[in-house]
Amino acid sequence: QVQLVESGGGLVKPGGSLRLSCAASGFTFSDYYMSWIRQAPGKGLEWVSYISGSGSIIYYSDSVKGRFTISRDNARESLYLQMNSLRAEDTAVYYCARLGANYGGEPWGQGTLVTVSS
Amino acid sequence: QSALTQPASVSGSPGQSITISCTGTSSDVGAYNYVSWYQQHPGKAPKLLVYDVRSRPSGVSNRFSGSKSGNTASLTVSGLQAEDEADYYCSSYTGSSTYVFGTGTKVTVL
Repeated sequence: QVQLVESGGGLVKPGGSLRLSCAASGFTFSDYYMSWIRQAPGKGLEWVSYISGSGSIIYYSDSVKGRFTISRDNARESLYLQMNSLRAEDTAVYYCARLGANYGGEPWGQGTLVTVSS
Repeated sequence: QSALTQPASVSGSPGQSITISCTGTSSDVGAYNYVSWYQQHPGKAPKLLVYDVRSRPSGVSNRFSGSKSGNTASLTVSGLQAEDEADYYCSSYTGSSTYVFGTGTKVTVL
């Protein structure tokens, strides 16, 4: 079945870096835009970034622009998020999702928790 | 990009209908028919209920329906059931080629 599985979360100090991965299965990965969306503890959803199927179109939210980098490897059917210069306010559960303007966001992964704290 | 505005909470009795609003601007909700709605139970990932304002993915109950007028989108839940108690979020594509989510609405089944 269509599935997304995130990994790579953990505890990191302010100013540190972390790389998240999202493994896709059950669909033709290269055909779809993919997004990262985060949710701070007890808060709402915040869109972070998306990448087109070919990787040629990339957008970021203002809150992460210049610090985070989204990428994908279609041969490995995997999505990545390189997070640098992490701040306490980046603490959240990070979800990957197959998200496109004309097909919504489905499915979502189970999420991976990133905690930025000294 | 500011979050779309949703009521913090909505409640209803079993069998009743409730409507959740999602107010944006002429640069997001008002500009595109790319509004989606998600349901999130505690500790779980969000689930897509509606996309493209009013389309439902296969497997989603027809008790969930979406609409839009101007800068405001709405999700109606008919025949409210105990399992509908959850958080609900709207989302829209924007003129900046980004996405924005709503502030979220907690639905309580009385």
